[in-house]
Amino acid sequence: DAGITQSPRHKVTETGTPVTLRCHQTENHRYMYWYRQDPGHGLRLIHYSYGVKDTDKGEVSDGYSVSRSKTEDFLLTLESATSSQTSVYFCANAAGDSSYEQYFGPGTRLTVT
Amino acid sequence: GQNIDQPTEMTATEGAIVQINCTYQTSGFNGLFWYQQHAGEAPTFLSYNVLDGLEEKGRFSSFLSRSKGYSYLLLKELQMKDSASYLCAVKDSNYQLIWGAGTKLIIKP
Repeated sequence: DAGITQSPRHKVTETGTPVTLRCHQTENHRYMYWYRQDPGHGLRLIHYSYGVKDTDKGEVSDGYSVSRSKTEDFLLTLESATSSQTSVYFCANAAGDSSYEQYFGPGTRLTVT
Repeated sequence: GQNIDQPTEMTATEGAIVQINCTYQTSGFNGLFWYQQHAGEAPTFLSYNVLDGLEEKGRFSSFLSRSKGYSYLLLKELQMKDSASYLCAVKDSNYQLIWGAGTKLIIKP
C-alpha cells in the first residue's frame, strides 16, 4: 500500500474558475507525478516532481501548474478551468526513477461545466 | 513519435488462458510495466520487464523482446475478478512512462 490520498475525490466547477487538487503521500518518496486519464487515451503526464521545489513539465502541461513545498504534498492547479480539462486525475509516487514502479492514488474526477 | 499499441478489447472464458499483446516504439527503453485497472479505480502494478524473456508471478506472466519492441501479458486460470483493463507502459530515455490506451478484458462464465 503506497499510502497516497487525493482530495477532493469528485469536483464540479465552472469554466474560468481556478481549481486545486491535492495529493498526499505517507511515505518519503522523492518522485511524484500528476496524470490525466481520458477515454481512448493512455495516461498522460501533466507534471512531475523529483523533490521539494523541484518540478518539471510533462506531455500535457498547458493550463496546469504544480507546487511541492513539502515531501508529502504535491498540488495541481488548473489556473482557469476549461471544459477540455474535464477528466480523471491521478497522482502517483515512486521511490526512484529507473526500475521503480509507480503507485497511484484513488483519483479525482473533475467536471468543468 | 512515441507509441504504445495494444488491443482495445478482448473477451475470454473463465478458467481459460489469455494473452494481451503490447508493441512499442519509444525514444529509449528503460523497462516495460504492466498495470491492472478495475473500472473506476486506480491502476495497480502487476509486472516489470527490463531484460528479454519471461517473468512469472503466480497466474500472471509477462514476456519481453526488446529487439522486436514487443511484450505480452499472459493470464492463466482466468477468474471473474480478472475482468479489468490492462495497461502497458514503457519508460523512455528520460525515465518517463509512456502509456498505452489499455486493453479491456471481459471474462465470461
